[in-house]
Amino acid sequence: DVVMTQSPLSLSVTLGQPASISCRSSQSLVYTDGNTYLNWFHQRPGQSPRRLIYKVSNRDSGVPDRFSGSGSGTDFTLKISRVEAEDVGVYYCMQNTHWPPITFGQGTRLEIK
Amino acid sequence: EVQLVESGGGLVQPGGSLRLSCAATGFTFSASNMNWVRQAPGKGLEWVSWISTSGGAVHYADSVKGRFIISRDNAKNSLYLEVNSLRDEDTAVYYCAKGTWHENWGQGTLVTVSS
Repeated sequence: DVVMTQSPLSLSVTLGQPASISCRSSQSLVYTDGNTYLNWFHQRPGQSPRRLIYKVSNRDSGVPDRFSGSGSGTDFTLKISRVEAEDVGVYYCMQNTHWPPITFGQGTRLEIK
Repeated sequence: EVQLVESGGGLVQPGGSLRLSCAATGFTFSASNMNWVRQAPGKGLEWVSWISTSGGAVHYADSVKGRFIISRDNAKNSLYLEVNSLRDEDTAVYYCAKGTWHENWGQGTLVTVSS
């Protein structure tokens, strides 16, 4: 199974400052079709997860452009250019290149300092 | 607007069974692969199961294989998860998610396994 490792596991950020979350996979996430199936999700307290980014860097509809995804192979990053209060919660990376099983990272909790 | 509404959770004793449902609206359900994902209290996300558009192909996490059964009824725009031989560690909120890439999620239904 592909193990997804996120860091840090928690993050405290001042409003308006940037934030960055790393996600590393135990093997390359490049699929035979050339795509990399690495997604990012955000779960606000008491809510269900919402997908933010698919295939490494594609923002979902309605996701603010302060969110960006990057990376390749086994190393991926989610960046928030200027953190806002609504960005609190837990962020998860997920791979579905080598599946089953589909695997998630442990989650990174973001709070406002 | 895509909507996924789970139901069927509840309190069940170890060894018991439940049938979870997910009612889908706002998209062509029969054209979407579907998933179940769970989240134990205070823990992260765990993928549970996937089903193809026709229901002809299914996959399970090793932790539930042989105990859970995923199915769908495209005529009723509904996804199901039959959870059997429940254990304490199956206590979780169970979410249905649209598409192999999990583009939309429901609000979840809580399954509590306890004597």
